[in-house]
Amino acid sequence: DQQVKQNSPSLSVQEGRISILNCDYTNSMFDYFLWYKKYPAEGPTFLISISSIKDKNEDGRFTVFLNKSAKHLSLHIVPSQPGDSAVYFCAAGTGSARQLTFGSGTQLTVLP
Amino acid sequence: EAGVVQSPRYKIIEKKQPVAFWCNPISGHNTLYWYLQNLGQGPELLIRYENEEAVDDSQLPKDRFSAERLKGVDSTLKIQPAELGDSAVYLCASSRTLAGEQFFGPGTRLTVL
Repeated sequence: DQQVKQNSPSLSVQEGRISILNCDYTNSMFDYFLWYKKYPAEGPTFLISISSIKDKNEDGRFTVFLNKSAKHLSLHIVPSQPGDSAVYFCAAGTGSARQLTFGSGTQLTVLP
Repeated sequence: EAGVVQSPRYKIIEKKQPVAFWCNPISGHNTLYWYLQNLGQGPELLIRYENEEAVDDSQLPKDRFSAERLKGVDSTLKIQPAELGDSAVYLCASSRTLAGEQFFGPGTRLTVL
């Protein structure tokens, strides 16, 4: 049973436009959500996070939105740049131990 | 600061052979994680250490997998014997505390023939 789902394996966006990556979860106990970015042959790197007490967190070009009632979060990248092309993983954790459950990832391609 | 170091980066072995992966976490990071990442999937936790103690190894297939973290620093993950289905990327991550941000190494890509 996949507790964290990223239903879009890939997304292509034109440079300068907005990229929206989506993630759904099923476990109501999750209280902490993160996005990781992964380039080929590298490990995932932390991008942005949000606690369940918030519905939005912004860091530069990256904004994460959390809709707890829909059990849905999204990552917005504005404006998108070619260097943003990577696989993006959504992850969710619960409790103080922050044990993370990852989604299967979305390959973002930003076209110049 | 230096990142999480893993070696080897790539390993090809025949089935039934043993294999070991090594991880050196970021200095000062007390928590260490081993993840398995299958093709097209996200990382899945195998085992988590707090210093030298394994605090969560519920997802580690203990019949063939073992791990150790001597002196609470470096860690080794071993598979013996390897099976075809073990072909995957094995990621190591570390964090300063149990609830801290996790920093990942580049991973070891294992191919079992």
